[in-house]
Amino acid sequence: AQKITQTQPGMFVQEKEAVTLDCTYDTSDQSYGLFWYKQPSSGEMIFLIYQGSYDEQNATEGRYSLNFQKARKSANLVISASQLGDSAMYFCAIMESGYNKLIFGAGTRLAVHP
Amino acid sequence: NAGVMQNPRHLVRRRGQEARLRCSPMKGHSHVYWYRQLPEEGLKFMVYLQKENIIDESGMPKERFSAEFPKEGPSILRIQQVVRGDSAAYFCASSPPLIRGLTSYEQYFGPGTRLTVT
Repeated sequence: AQKITQTQPGMFVQEKEAVTLDCTYDTSDQSYGLFWYKQPSSGEMIFLIYQGSYDEQNATEGRYSLNFQKARKSANLVISASQLGDSAMYFCAIMESGYNKLIFGAGTRLAVHP
Repeated sequence: NAGVMQNPRHLVRRRGQEARLRCSPMKGHSHVYWYRQLPEEGLKFMVYLQKENIIDESGMPKERFSAEFPKEGPSILRIQQVVRGDSAAYFCASSPPLIRGLTSYEQYFGPGTRLTVT
């Protein structure tokens, strides 16, 4: 089974609106971390937000928040007040305890329209 | 505080040549990771190193690929006898040592090296 599934190959949103990017994961570990990265057209990988499996609160970083539903094994990224500069690929990733490697999903391409 | 540095940013090699990709981690980071991104795909883990040690190479192809992180100097990913299928973006990431009790730590990525094999 895929460790990380991102079911939306492409999404578009109107500027200033909110958008949710889906991510589901598969692990039998109790202890793990979930990450979101942004990859603009220039190619670099930019860390956005992190959620630990034991964190009781949903993570937030500025306009980014993570809708963490542990029982459903989902970790959706919510971007509020979208900006044109948010247009990019977005990758969800998991790191399981004891393994220091990130396992990435296939990504979602977000286009923000003016 | 400089971020993760990778060079070269772009590398063109003919089939059969060797490619050497270099990565200098962030200051204070002792863990280095290499990932490969094929066109239109997500990143795939290749290898995880600490100084002078390969900790996890489960994602490395069995042949032609090797990695090192010497006591002094950058980490090197070496690809011998490159083939067209090696064309990809190769990303290096680094992280500090884990603090006891933390599940994991975010990895900081370099800008990547785009390898083109002609």
